[in-house]
Amino acid sequence: NAGVTQTPKFQVLKTGQSMTLQCAQDMNHEYMSWYRQDPGMGLRLIHYSVGAGITDQGEVPNGYNVSRSTTEDFPLRLLSAAPSQTSVYFCASSYAFSSGMSYEQYFGPGTRLTVT
Amino acid sequence: TQLLEQSPQFLSIQEGENLTVYCNSSSVFSSLQWYRQEPGEGPVLLVTVVTGGEVKKLKRLTFQFGDARKDSSLHITAAQPGDTGLYLCAGAGGTSYGKLTFGQGTILTVHP
Repeated sequence: NAGVTQTPKFQVLKTGQSMTLQCAQDMNHEYMSWYRQDPGMGLRLIHYSVGAGITDQGEVPNGYNVSRSTTEDFPLRLLSAAPSQTSVYFCASSYAFSSGMSYEQYFGPGTRLTVT
Repeated sequence: TQLLEQSPQFLSIQEGENLTVYCNSSSVFSSLQWYRQEPGEGPVLLVTVVTGGEVKKLKRLTFQFGDARKDSSLHITAAQPGDTGLYLCAGAGGTSYGKLTFGQGTILTVHP
């Protein structure tokens, strides 16, 4: 199993450009999520999905869109890149997510994005 | 919004020393996880604690969940250079259904 894969690994964008960060998992996990990681701020949840066709907003969703057409894929779209979106982005998946329990989150290797 | 405060933010120690990292919140969590992250990689799960007062040991690492399920600690005995990394706590449950709340992280450096 490849686990969670993310592409690209590095990306430089100009302000106003759009792009899609790809995320795929081959573990048949229902729950997938996107985080951004900035120095001193830990991981902040952008969007998450509890299954194909179902997505919801996290803590910092503005400027980002997601969709979940298949169990395997969960792309993150930046609509109009801004310097404030310079960050490292992590995709994660887990078997499930119940109201009272968190299962192990498997993280991808991250995408380092710079917006100039 | 539920918050998790980690302390200290930075920790620089010599090989062989002991250390404790704290994760505190004013909110109750149903479960709490600790992750370790190395540079250029994603976080990797170390442990999940679910019961108030629970203590789990993983070799030289001891994890404790507070009785009220609002706080947790990670204690490392006789730290080694291989323990160097970013340690993150993450809480689930309570008012944050479907969302995992992460602390800011503790950067640990163990010098040989």
